[in-house]
Amino acid sequence: EPEVTQTPSHQVTQMGQEVILRCVPISNHLYFYWYRQILGQKVEFLVSFYNNEISEKSEIFDDQFSVERPDGSNFTLKIRSTKLEDSAMYFCASSEAGQESYEQYFGPGTRLTVT
Amino acid sequence: AQSVTQLGSHVSVSEGALVLLRCNYSSSVPPYLFWYVQYPNQGLQLLLKYTSAATLVKGINGFEAEFKKSETSFHLTKPSAHMSDAAEYFCAVRGAGFQKLVFGTGTRLLVSP
Repeated sequence: EPEVTQTPSHQVTQMGQEVILRCVPISNHLYFYWYRQILGQKVEFLVSFYNNEISEKSEIFDDQFSVERPDGSNFTLKIRSTKLEDSAMYFCASSEAGQESYEQYFGPGTRLTVT
Repeated sequence: AQSVTQLGSHVSVSEGALVLLRCNYSSSVPPYLFWYVQYPNQGLQLLLKYTSAATLVKGINGFEAEFKKSETSFHLTKPSAHMSDAAEYFCAVRGAGFQKLVFGTGTRLLVSP
């Protein structure tokens, strides 16, 4: 069964460093998403991406964050200058289409630890 | 704005007992509701979804949920718990016209022999 994959599974970085989290969505999907879950808190939406553009983003997704689909298979989340509060599990998801009834398929997550 | 509230951060049941995980939603537009399960060190897996076709929704692994508009609820049930059901369960809502899922805080289901 097709699945969303994410690399790395765990990333440790120092405050102020840039990090890039990578995701490979399911191949025929058109919409891509990033969510994050700070330890002990809710899963929170960050951004959705369609047709090489951000289609929706949350207040969390400020200028420190960016997303890109650099080729036909990868989808990346970049954090320019990491802060301690960016430590979280980051989930990538994808869906066939953007309508509300379409399931979002989630990857296993990347645990980001900022020291 | 859409939101969901999950009552009980932890629910403990014995193997074979009824599972009931509660979710109440708030939405200013017709909601689409989802239950996801997260096993340790894994991503979120969809259990079932409500998309207005039927109020009683059946999902994988014997789970089902009933949409009750009058109670703004979408509780998840399973008649007989199995040890393998131990996991974290998330209720989520998506409003018409929105792409983001809004998640509840999650309920950890513990199943004892």
